[in-house]
Amino acid sequence: DAGITQSPRYKITETGRQVTLMCHQTWSHSYMFWYRQDLGHGLRLIYYSAAADITDKGEVPDGYVVSRSKTENFPLTLESATRSQTSVYFCASRSLAGGTYNEQFFGPGTRLTVL
Amino acid sequence: QKEVEQDPGPLSVPEGAIVSLNCTYSNSAFQYFMWYRQYSRKGPELLMYTYSSGNKEDGRFTAQVDKSSKYISLFIRDSQPSDSATYLCAMNNAGGTSYGKLTFGQGTILTVHP
Repeated sequence: DAGITQSPRYKITETGRQVTLMCHQTWSHSYMFWYRQDLGHGLRLIYYSAAADITDKGEVPDGYVVSRSKTENFPLTLESATRSQTSVYFCASRSLAGGTYNEQFFGPGTRLTVL
Repeated sequence: QKEVEQDPGPLSVPEGAIVSLNCTYSNSAFQYFMWYRQYSRKGPELLMYTYSSGNKEDGRFTAQVDKSSKYISLFIRDSQPSDSATYLCAMNNAGGTSYGKLTFGQGTILTVHP
């Protein structure tokens, strides 16, 4: 599939379990992002990556781990899930280009419930 | 206090109404101002963006930025049921080669009823 995809789309897990959310983009965009969306908070940045093997924390990184061994993939891992991590997670990407604004393109989201 | 404030609504209007959506912000370094539209169970999609102050029109949609007041607006004319969605304002202080960190408002849920 062309564009940006996320898997799984829905996930139910239990407190303390490790969960990995996958993100894949076909545009070879340099930048990739993970957001969570919660009522009353809008979208908040968890982690971002400027290129393969380059990642950095966003606004709410605690409890999450990311890696980026290939340009097209940017998995997000919850090492020990907590109920407060119940949320909708969005992956996004944008190209690296100078001089103009570059749109962030969002995936369809993963709805995660932690019991 | 959040950097970007947006009234979450919900906002319900009849078809054909003019809709006004607004955000205020506190960071004077913001230069790019965006409106994303998000349909239910979908990811956000960019609707419009404006650089610095001024107006931008695209069909039934008009975006306005007033940097002196730190206030941005999105107007929807002749609203349609298909406009029913969550509208998110977003801002950043650089484009081009920076990573383009976006700061989002909370989103306004809009329903246009026939």
